[in-house]
Amino acid sequence: AQRVTQPEKLLSVFKGAPVELKCNYSYSGSPELFWYVQYSRQRLQLLLRHISRESIKGFTADLNKGETSFHLKKPFAQEEDSAMYYCALRGTGTASKLTFGTGTRLQVTL
Amino acid sequence: GAVVSQHPSRVICKSGTSVKIECRSLDFQATTMFWYRQFPKQSLMLMATSNEGSKATYEQGVEKDKFLINHASLTLSTLTVTSAHPEDSSFYICSARDVGTNTEAFFGQGTRLTVV
Repeated sequence: AQRVTQPEKLLSVFKGAPVELKCNYSYSGSPELFWYVQYSRQRLQLLLRHISRESIKGFTADLNKGETSFHLKKPFAQEEDSAMYYCALRGTGTASKLTFGTGTRLQVTL
Repeated sequence: GAVVSQHPSRVICKSGTSVKIECRSLDFQATTMFWYRQFPKQSLMLMATSNEGSKATYEQGVEKDKFLINHASLTLSTLTVTSAHPEDSSFYICSARDVGTNTEAFFGQGTRLTVV
């Protein structure tokens, strides 16, 4: 079975402060990990995926297989980062389904 | 990125009636489509996975006779909620992916279903 855990429902930070959104997963094989973001009144969209190893909008996430974590980080939060963030896992095999965490709402205040 | 369109975005229906939700991939061929349900302030729960031209695979606890899924073409999948009840009221979201090219999954804007 595949499972994704996001322990924080809400994370509130000040503008310019560092951000870390936590994500832990459970999967027996080698998963693909993703972060999706949902801005207010918009559809869910991909923020980044671990295999790309890229930085999007200043966000990065490193897959730590030892700790089974894929935390999302940004050194300096911006107001426009306020949104709902979902960590997701896709296992191997033909099903290719995504399993989502419960999401963390990031609130960036002045 | 690619576009996935859901229609309608909002629908109200009477108990006992059926309602159909469409999910279209506008600029790519979606070999696989996924249907999710999202309750208020909760995560997306996968209901079923549908592959073009074959029967959908339902997640445990999802009634296949109640939530009929048809994926007749590479650009269209439909979810029909049959004999709707108020407890079926929810936000339904589809996503589409071209498994052959290993693209990411793109999401529709969602459909808010209210059963009265």
